[in-house]
Amino acid sequence: GQNIDQPTEMTATEGAIVQINCTYQTSGFNGLFWYQQHAGEAPTFLSYNVLDGLEEKGRFSSFLSRSKGYSYLLLKELQMKDSASYLCAVLDSNYQLIWGAGTKLIIKP
Amino acid sequence: GAVVSQHPSRVICKSGTSVKIECRSLDFQATTMFWYRQFPKQSLMLMATSNEGSKATYEQGVEKDKFLINHASLTLSTLTVTSAHPEDSSFYICSARVGSGLAGGMSYEQYFGPGTRLTVT
Repeated sequence: GQNIDQPTEMTATEGAIVQINCTYQTSGFNGLFWYQQHAGEAPTFLSYNVLDGLEEKGRFSSFLSRSKGYSYLLLKELQMKDSASYLCAVLDSNYQLIWGAGTKLIIKP
Repeated sequence: GAVVSQHPSRVICKSGTSVKIECRSLDFQATTMFWYRQFPKQSLMLMATSNEGSKATYEQGVEKDKFLINHASLTLSTLTVTSAHPEDSSFYICSARVGSGLAGGMSYEQYFGPGTRLTVT
């Protein structure tokens, strides 16, 4: 079966750095997406990785290791507005998005 | 670019009635649209996938006669919740993608509508 694992909840301090991990086992791989979802709102796109390595975009970076079936989202200089759920999703061999359950990130002052 | 609208944003209806939710891609043509449901503090649950001009593909456990999906054009899909019951109360989110293998995996990014909060009393 297809499986995506990410921690249910994480807590971090404003101004700090946090890394949210995602491991996956899917039938094929055509890329991995990270989305941010604030409570009561729809998800918004953060990043897409298809090759190994680190993609940096401002305060957010996303890393992928295809051999390990592993990705992480790194958030720097955390702000209160970063409190949200972060969803990892893998595009499988049929180009279907397989969603993780999401990681709820709580930022404390 | 890549804006998806959804209407209505909130709806309250009585048990036994039907509710229609519209999803539109405003500045692109979506080959595929998706309908998700999300209960409080839970993850997205894919209900169905629809391609323009063809019947929707429903996920296991989703009643196709209860959740009617019509994808009449490349920019519009509708979800009708028929004979709604209180347990159908949820946050319904649509998404759309262009999606072409020729353009690579990034073209499979899903653009989400703002969601519809349905409350059945």
